[in-house]
Amino acid sequence: NAGVTQTPKFQVLKTGQSMTLQCAQDMNHNSMYWYRQDPGMGLRLIYYSASEGTTDKGEVPNGYNVSRLNKREFSLRLESAAPSQTSVYFCASSVLSGLNTEAFFGQGTRLTVV
Amino acid sequence: KNEVEQSPQNLTAQEGEFITINCSYSVGISALHWLQQHPGGGIVSLFMLSSGKKKHGRLIATINIQEKHSSLHITASHPRDSAVYICAATRSGSNYQLIWGAGTKLIIKP
Repeated sequence: NAGVTQTPKFQVLKTGQSMTLQCAQDMNHNSMYWYRQDPGMGLRLIYYSASEGTTDKGEVPNGYNVSRLNKREFSLRLESAAPSQTSVYFCASSVLSGLNTEAFFGQGTRLTVV
Repeated sequence: KNEVEQSPQNLTAQEGEFITINCSYSVGISALHWLQQHPGGGIVSLFMLSSGKKKHGRLIATINIQEKHSSLHITASHPRDSAVYICAATRSGSNYQLIWGAGTKLIIKP
């Protein structure tokens, strides 16, 4: 039982390049989330998926797109990376729809945009 | 003023000491989470509380809804407990958003 798995763990992009961060959970959770963590700012919600087939914007969605491919997988895409998107990205999931239940986090993806 | 405040911001203690980290919130919440993050590492959920008290091993979390306050206690602290501990609250009526505390950096010296 792997929990929440994110790939890649590290990535360096040039400005303007695109990439997709992958996230998969094997706990049959309904809701999935993408956060970014920047020094001194805590975690900020980028997008979330309340359930399979739905996605919604969080606090900082600009410059990102997401896909809830199936119940297990929730990907985050940067279409044209910018240095301001340098951050650590965390995927999370929760068993019920919403965060009134425990949240499980992946190990993070450290992204640098140069 | 932040909606979720943690104290202290930094805490250094000797191995074996009893540790308390506090979290106060000023908005209506439906749940409160305590999480742990090691340097350069992932985030691990320790507890999710909506009332009362929970215990897991040497960790205890309590919440007082009337006082809008939660505490995380570590008994018999150990150097491996050194990490950042984060309090986060699920805002009432907004089940998909967490309000994050700034974190408490804990160092346990052997």
